[in-house]
Amino acid sequence: AQSVTQLDSHVSVSEGTPVLLRCNYSSSYSPSLFWYVQHPNKGLQLLLKYTSAATLVKGINGFEAEFKKSETSFHLTKPSAHMSDAAEYFCVVSEPRAAGNKLTFGGGTRVLVKP
Amino acid sequence: GAVVSQHPSRVICKSGTSVKIECRSLDFQATTMFWYRQFPKQSLMLMATSNEGSKATYEQGVEKDKFLINHASLTLSTLTVTSAHPEDSSFYICSARGGGGVLYSEAFFGQGTRLTVV
Repeated sequence: AQSVTQLDSHVSVSEGTPVLLRCNYSSSYSPSLFWYVQHPNKGLQLLLKYTSAATLVKGINGFEAEFKKSETSFHLTKPSAHMSDAAEYFCVVSEPRAAGNKLTFGGGTRVLVKP
Repeated sequence: GAVVSQHPSRVICKSGTSVKIECRSLDFQATTMFWYRQFPKQSLMLMATSNEGSKATYEQGVEKDKFLINHASLTLSTLTVTSAHPEDSSFYICSARGGGGVLYSEAFFGQGTRLTVV
């Protein structure tokens, strides 16, 4: 079984300041982890993914995340928030295909960026 | 990245009618497709998983006779909401994953369909 916990349901930051979105996971497998972003009434866009290579993963739009096995965490960061970063963010853990190939979603973190 | 096209983006239907939502992978073969439902300000809830050419596997609590899923080809899956009622109003999202030798293939998501039943 696997699960994902996003520790903050809402995060509010000022434009130009750092963003931190926290995610902890549990998995019976060596996990693959993803961060997706969703803008209102839109589908999900992949920001970045970890699949057992480098533990520090760089994604699109200046986001990066660090996989820490000892802490079972995969926190998402961005050094300087932009107004366009206001959206819902989901941390996701994946089962391998042989185990069902399912994605398990965290509850989501809504990011508000203040001018 | 690969593209998944979901259609329609919005649909309004009368109570008791059926609605079909299409999900197409445009530039890759989707061996597995997933259908999710999302309530306002909530996370995605997996409804069912479908593999091409086989019956869909539904999550607990999802009525298979109400939410009919067909995965007829490696590029197309459909979700039909039968005899829709206002409580079926929601945002439905599909996603597709490829096959090949990748253990953890990336999932690509459609744009979502806003269903309103009146």
